[in-house]
Amino acid sequence: ETGVTQSPTHLIKTRGQQVTLRCSSQSGHNTVSWYQQALGQGPQFIFQYYREEENGRGNFPPRFSGLQFPNYSSELNVNALELDDSALYLCASSLSRGLKNTEAFFGQGTRLTVV
Amino acid sequence: GDSVTQMEGPVTLSEEAFLTINCTYTATGYPSLFWYVQYPGEGLQLLLKATKADDKGSNKGFEATYRKETTSFHLEKGSVQVSDSAVYFCALSAGNNRLAFGKGNQVVVIP
Repeated sequence: ETGVTQSPTHLIKTRGQQVTLRCSSQSGHNTVSWYQQALGQGPQFIFQYYREEENGRGNFPPRFSGLQFPNYSSELNVNALELDDSALYLCASSLSRGLKNTEAFFGQGTRLTVV
Repeated sequence: GDSVTQMEGPVTLSEEAFLTINCTYTATGYPSLFWYVQYPGEGLQLLLKATKADDKGSNKGFEATYRKETTSFHLEKGSVQVSDSAVYFCALSAGNNRLAFGKGNQVVVIP
């Protein structure tokens, strides 16, 4: 049991719509990272949040945005959905203390299908 | 940028066979290296890690050694079981917990 929970587990959206995915971090963790895993591929880093601020971003367009809340839970928002956004979205939480980082624990993911 | 390359294609083998999955990396500096496992319908679980050259990570009979001279971190297990059937990902991190993953290898163990 990693303690990282994501919701919903599955959802289907129509092209052009907007979606919000949620992640509850493991207790005591202050850093959340989001990844996109297309079918048959490895996860790709989207962005990371540390203490409610974006702390690094991968090669994803601005229509991918996020939030981290004071309790360190997080949201991933995707606007103007495209068919290629269909993927498993993974959230990972960890504890960052200066230059030290604990292991990242992953949630089970949200499977997004865009039709 | 940082990247990880895994050998192409699924791996199918019989129970009790020897498993090797190749992984090479490209990175500036001295990254930490990881192997993650993903069982059907589940998220990623850390299998093992190594944080510096010549370190050997091990867990559940799996091993991998951080080879800086060959920029490799190959995964091995001496005797696989059906329960080891999963997708295995090699990954690296430059120390900020932002992971760069390989494409993964599906491992199928036949009884």
